[in-house]
Amino acid sequence: GAVVSQHPSRVICKSGTSVKIECRSLDFQATTMFWYRQFPKQSLMLMATSNEGSKATYEQGVEKDKFLINHASLTLSTLTVTSAHPEDSSFYICSAKGTGRDNSPLHFGNGTRLTVT
Amino acid sequence: AQTVTQSQPEMSVQEAETVTLSCTYDTSESDYYLFWYKQPPSRQMILVIRQEAYKQQNATENRFSVNFQKAAKSFSLKISDSQLGDAAMYFCAYRSPYSGSRLTFGEGTQLTVNP
Repeated sequence: GAVVSQHPSRVICKSGTSVKIECRSLDFQATTMFWYRQFPKQSLMLMATSNEGSKATYEQGVEKDKFLINHASLTLSTLTVTSAHPEDSSFYICSAKGTGRDNSPLHFGNGTRLTVT
Repeated sequence: AQTVTQSQPEMSVQEAETVTLSCTYDTSESDYYLFWYKQPPSRQMILVIRQEAYKQQNATENRFSVNFQKAAKSFSLKISDSQLGDAAMYFCAYRSPYSGSRLTFGEGTQLTVNP
């Protein structure tokens, strides 16, 4: 089946630094990738939609200058949390859609737990 | 905008018994897709079952089945012969064919399976 690899699985960074999270589709081409944020015992909240070769579309309330998204190839999207603060600590999950039928399911990465100290 | 509501924050079931998780949604669209995802403690999102709105027949995947009531905008998940490995957070999700495959998730239901 389709595999999405997300790296790193855990990261701890100091306040004010930036951290990059990678999302790779290993065995399919992903024209669209999605970035979600999940707080403990809560649902997944869509942050942005990443389209290969174009600018990401951010959801209302998400700071595009703080959460930089790059989708430079059909197999890789990156989320960079810039000038991280403790309130950015959360679980970030990416998902990817292949170029198949519209009702094909999304494939999720294993998530990244970010802790900002 | 579409919304998805799961009114049961927590549910529990005895091993080998059957449990039903509720989900309702609000939409003005006639064509859409519905999903149930499972998130175990590992946090990996696992697709359990999916339903296309134009199909009247309820989807079934082994021990998992849905009761899709389009007019009532209800999409419940039934787990039969519950197993310890079914313990997880379950999310109901909606996807519009017009929104670029974006998923809208419900709040989730934490399922506990008691031995």
